[in-house]
Amino acid sequence: AQKVTQAQTEISVVEKEDVTLDCVYETRDTTYYLFWYKQPPSGELVFLIRRNSFDEQNEISGRYSWNFQKSTSSFNFTITASQVVDSAVYFCALSEAWGGTSYGKLTFGQGTILTVHP
Amino acid sequence: DSGVTQTPKHLITATGQRVTLRCSPRSGDLSVYWYQQSLDQGLQFLIQYYNGEERAKGNILERFSAQQFPDLHSELNLSSLELGDSALYFCASSVGVYSHEQYFGPGTRLTVT
Repeated sequence: AQKVTQAQTEISVVEKEDVTLDCVYETRDTTYYLFWYKQPPSGELVFLIRRNSFDEQNEISGRYSWNFQKSTSSFNFTITASQVVDSAVYFCALSEAWGGTSYGKLTFGQGTILTVHP
Repeated sequence: DSGVTQTPKHLITATGQRVTLRCSPRSGDLSVYWYQQSLDQGLQFLIQYYNGEERAKGNILERFSAQQFPDLHSELNLSSLELGDSALYFCASSVGVYSHEQYFGPGTRLTVT
């Protein structure tokens, strides 16, 4: 069975601080995909990134960066120089790759509430 | 805007009633997914359809059913509603059947009184 754990329930930072959101996953699959989604106060879920299990290179997109470490089953997300607009709930998710019986099902973590204060 | 539309945005109904939630996927996407978000259960996968066929099922209650129509829009039917069914119901779509990024609609907030 797949499981995603986001141990940090809530994080509070002051603007311009860097913040890292942790994500640890469990799966018996050898190939899988990892995702991050953002849920701002307006409620919609916004796709941020997808990473496959073969690609352990870190990824950077503007102020966002992701650190994937297969050895520790972690896929952490860092926001550099945080801004008030980053305040949201962030979800990490996991899905099987091709050939699995769960098809496109996403298993989500419980989410981390990030509050960035001005 | 993800390109996924859901109607209605809000729904208030009484216990025992039946409701239908509607979803239109992004243009070109063949997969539609339904998820339920509640405070106690978090975000839970309900069901996936791909090009009209059911492909994966999560912990979807027997009182709930879904279908995907030839024009690829999907409906989620919830019947014999209980207070515990109050939640935010999301529809998502993706281009393929496996592991592609899913784009979520704005959700339907269901309140059962």
